[in-house]
Amino acid sequence: DSGVTQTPKHLITATGQRVTLRCSPRSGDLSVYWYQQSLDQGLQFLIHYYNGEERAKGNILERFSAQQFPDLHSELNLSSLELGDSALYFCASTRGISNTGELFFGEGSRLTVL
Amino acid sequence: GQQLNQSPQSMFIQEGEDVSMNCTSSSIFNTWLWYKQDPGEGPVLLIALYKAGELTSNGRLTAQFGITRKDSFLNISASIPSDVGIYFCAGQLQGSGYSTLTFGKGTMLLVSP
Repeated sequence: DSGVTQTPKHLITATGQRVTLRCSPRSGDLSVYWYQQSLDQGLQFLIHYYNGEERAKGNILERFSAQQFPDLHSELNLSSLELGDSALYFCASTRGISNTGELFFGEGSRLTVL
Repeated sequence: GQQLNQSPQSMFIQEGEDVSMNCTSSSIFNTWLWYKQDPGEGPVLLIALYKAGELTSNGRLTAQFGITRKDSFLNISASIPSDVGIYFCAGQLQGSGYSTLTFGKGTMLLVSP
């Protein structure tokens, strides 16, 4: 158990819909990272928040947005969903910003768009 | 952006065999890491390498940080069924104050008892 909690574990929805994925980082961790894992692309970095502020953006679509709340949990919002958005979405956390490379991953949220 | 080429894409081996996988990049990294993802779980760090030429072991796992800083390999000796999973390499470039991890596409390992 990494200490990172993600909900929901599974989500099935239709094209055009909007969903919210939630992540609670490990106790004491201030950084939250979101990754998308698909079969053909591997683990793609989406976005990083540190202590409530956005720190870096990766290959995140404009239809996607995220935020980190004062209690440090984070939400990833996916809107106008397309079939290609079906993937595993991982949240990871670390204590600080410039970390040693060790990310603590949650178990992921599997999104299926029909 | 930075890209990591990880090979092989998948391996199917017999229990007891040794395994080798590697990762190459067109960019230089200051840190190389190897993660393992068990079925239904998130990736977990196996080994971290912070210095060019560094060779590090963790039980039956051995990883090396290439001299050019553009590659790394992971060896697993005497494989066992619980080695099944997806192995990811990841690189990180520090020095500009901050950077994120770039992951390879993974090597899926299947071990037959």
